[in-house]
Amino acid sequence: GAVVSQHPSRVICKSGTSVKIECRSLDFQATTMFWYRQFPKQSLMLMATSNEGSKATYEQGVEKDKFLINHASLTLSTLTVTSAHPEDSSFYICSARGGSYNSPLHFGNGTRLTVT
Amino acid sequence: RKEVEQDPGPFNVPEGATVAFNCTYSNSASQSFFWYRQDCRKEPKLLMSVYSSGNEDGRFTAQLNRASQYISLLIRDSKLSDSATYLCVVPFSGGYNKLIFGAGTRLAVHP
Repeated sequence: GAVVSQHPSRVICKSGTSVKIECRSLDFQATTMFWYRQFPKQSLMLMATSNEGSKATYEQGVEKDKFLINHASLTLSTLTVTSAHPEDSSFYICSARGGSYNSPLHFGNGTRLTVT
Repeated sequence: RKEVEQDPGPFNVPEGATVAFNCTYSNSASQSFFWYRQDCRKEPKLLMSVYSSGNEDGRFTAQLNRASQYISLLIRDSKLSDSATYLCVVPFSGGYNKLIFGAGTRLAVHP
């Protein structure tokens, strides 16, 4: 089945620094990837839709200047959390739909970000 | 009506029990639905896809009721390893190829 790889799986950084998270589709081309965030004991919240070769589409309330998304190729999307603060500490998960419009989402294994 | 709604549970059942979860959705044009399972501090994993009236895979059965706009997940002969949060996923009514996740239903299977 479709495989999505996410890196790093865990990162601890100091407040004010930036963190880049990579998401790769390993065996299929993904023109669209999705970035989710999940706080403890809460549901997955869609942050943005990453579109290959064009600007990402951000959900309401998500700051595009803080969460920079780049989707430069059909197999790679990156999310950069700029000037991270403790409240940005969360579980970030990328996903992609393989193949057709009706395909399910395949998830990366997530990145647990802790900002100290 | 919310895009997708689930009973949060938790459902506490003994091993061997049969348990069912429901999920209601608002987008009547949706064609595909999915059930995912998420273990604590892990990413969601696809459990079943539902494209027509239903789907069955071993102990798991998913059914779709388009008239009432809900999908259900039935787990027979529950195992301890079935303990997880089960997420219902439906297409976003506004298009954009997005999928919307329900808040999840927690299942705890005890000995």
